[in-house]
Amino acid sequence: EIVLTQSPATLSLSPGERATLSCRASQSVSTYLAWYQQKPGQAPRLLIYDAVNRATGIPARFSGSGSGTDFTLTISGLEPEDFAVYYCHQRAVWPRAFGQGTRLDVK
Amino acid sequence: QVQLQESGPGLVKPSQTLSLTCTVSGGPITNDNYYWAWIRQPAGKELEWIGRIHISGSVDYNASLKSRVTISMDTSKNQFSLMLSSVTAADTAVYYCARDRGAMGPEDFWGQGTLVTVSS
Repeated sequence: EIVLTQSPATLSLSPGERATLSCRASQSVSTYLAWYQQKPGQAPRLLIYDAVNRATGIPARFSGSGSGTDFTLTISGLEPEDFAVYYCHQRAVWPRAFGQGTRLDVK
Repeated sequence: QVQLQESGPGLVKPSQTLSLTCTVSGGPITNDNYYWAWIRQPAGKELEWIGRIHISGSVDYNASLKSRVTISMDTSKNQFSLMLSSVTAADTAVYYCARDRGAMGPEDFWGQGTLVTVSS
């Protein structure tokens, strides 16, 4: 079973700043890594799939990178609506799994 | 656009069986490009993948829950369902249904989620 470890647990930034979130897998997941955004009381929203591909309707300020065991989600120029919890997710190895999340707070 | 909606009891007694249904609109669950999945999230905790089903009859379960979980489909109603037996307080969570793109990608469309509390 793959364990996904996200860092930092909490990230405090101001609107307009750049956010860098990390996800490390306990073994290689190739590029089968996705990122989701979740706001309170809402379902997760798919942002990035297969490490680098933006999902339909996702703004260009969201970008993903990485392969193997180390992945990054970058948000360039934080907007007020971007403050939320972000989860990484792997589908390379059974069972599919999520990280524990990074909370992006307003500084 | 595909939409999913969970339904079922919000309160289940310990040792009983949790039963939820997901109604899909905007596309048939018989589309063999997709699986249909269940995922849950205890309050303040991370997401846990439960299992998925495909129109072919293929079903995959998280090994940690496999002995208690059954996922099924009703194509006439465009619905799929989750049954979780012998529940305890640890099964209290928001339960989500989602469309799983299988080999083509992760879960892309989700229901809004439904809170199920296990309590006597």
